[in-house]
Amino acid sequence: GQQLNQSPQSMFIQEGEDVSMNCTSSSIFNTWLWYKQEPGEGPVLLIALYKAGELTSNGRLTAQFGITRKDSFLNISASIPSDVGIYFCAGQYSGGGADGLTFGKGTHLIIQP
Amino acid sequence: SAVISQKPSRDICQRGTSLTIQCQVDSQVTMMFWYRQQPGQSLTLIATANQGSEATYESGFVIDKFPISRPNLTFSTLTVSNMSPEDSSIYLCSVDGGRGGTDTQYFGPGTRLTVL
Repeated sequence: GQQLNQSPQSMFIQEGEDVSMNCTSSSIFNTWLWYKQEPGEGPVLLIALYKAGELTSNGRLTAQFGITRKDSFLNISASIPSDVGIYFCAGQYSGGGADGLTFGKGTHLIIQP
Repeated sequence: SAVISQKPSRDICQRGTSLTIQCQVDSQVTMMFWYRQQPGQSLTLIATANQGSEATYESGFVIDKFPISRPNLTFSTLTVSNMSPEDSSIYLCSVDGGRGGTDTQYFGPGTRLTVL
């Protein structure tokens, strides 16, 4: 089956620094999604990407759908304490029907004071 | 995006018993999905819940262990049957939304299950 490799597993950064994380896949996806999960909560959708090469921003977040359709990255600029959490990439390949998502293993973002 | 609620939010259960988790959406949706998130892990799709037909299960998940109901377009249940400690996880439902239905998914808050 499809697998997503997400890196890094964790990041220890200073407040104000920029953050970059990425996901690669062994096969193509039609949709890439980025979620953030905080303790005790379900994943919250941050950015959705639908087209190869697409670059989308949501405030301080920017994500791109790789041109090969096998990768995506998420950047966070000027990190703040509330950015702490686990970030997941997820891919979907809709082969004519509705498919569930394949998730990466997550990037745990920790901001040091 | 849709507002999704799950009941119960958490439970502690004894080995060998069953628990039914409910997922309610505030609007009609075509597809509902159930995921499992084991402690410290990522999310794994259990099954897709289709209204009016049987659920479609992913490899490694079977209907006898995780029976699912989808009686209408706003509600679904997942039952975890004959539980063992290995079933201790967060169980999340999600729904489709946007761009004609299936290209985005929104998640409920999850049900935290501990099996003793």
